[in-house]
Amino acid sequence: GDSVTQMEGPVTLSEEAFLTINCTYTATGYPSLFWYVQYPGEGLQLLLKATKADDKGSNKGFEATYRKETTSFHLEKGSVQVSDSAVYFCALSASGGYNKLIFGAGTRLAVHP
Amino acid sequence: EAEVAQSPRYKITEKSQAVAFWCDPISGHATLYWYRQILGQGPELLVQFQDESVVDDSQLPKDRFSAERLKGVDSTLKIQPAELGDSAMYLCASSFLASGRAGHEQFFGPGTRLTVL
Repeated sequence: GDSVTQMEGPVTLSEEAFLTINCTYTATGYPSLFWYVQYPGEGLQLLLKATKADDKGSNKGFEATYRKETTSFHLEKGSVQVSDSAVYFCALSASGGYNKLIFGAGTRLAVHP
Repeated sequence: EAEVAQSPRYKITEKSQAVAFWCDPISGHATLYWYRQILGQGPELLVQFQDESVVDDSQLPKDRFSAERLKGVDSTLKIQPAELGDSAMYLCASSFLASGRAGHEQFFGPGTRLTVL
């Protein structure tokens, strides 16, 4: 079945460091891909998405490119801030279905001043 | 800004008791989802409604869990009897459209954290 694999955390960085969180997926067809962020005590918020191969999603300085050849959707940010500390989830929704989201296990990011 | 509302935010219960969670989606959103998020894991879909109809409940433990969305608006998820392994965050989400389409943003509520003692 469809699945999402994320790099394990926690990821600990200093402020202004470069961030990469790896995400790979297994799916039939052409899924849509998402990154959600969960701040402490809150629900999930959509960070960015891409709905077809080679699309780049971007928001708040974060970027991810839908790579069908490597079945990947890695999250990047050039300069992280303390306020980016959160748990990041990669997810997919399969094409032709009911928009059900399948999530990875999440990666906790801690940014220190 | 419209939000998904959930209550209660926290619930502590003893095993074998009944619990219920409520969700009010964003107005106009036809699709409603209930996810369960075990600590340290990603959310997993329990049940999905399109208007008042269930379109996916393949991961819902139907011997103890039930969900309804009688008028196609708000929804209730019930567990009876609760077990220790049910301790988790229960998240509700809604989206404008889902059937046959992918890529529609799901908006999540703050969740209900359930602790079963």
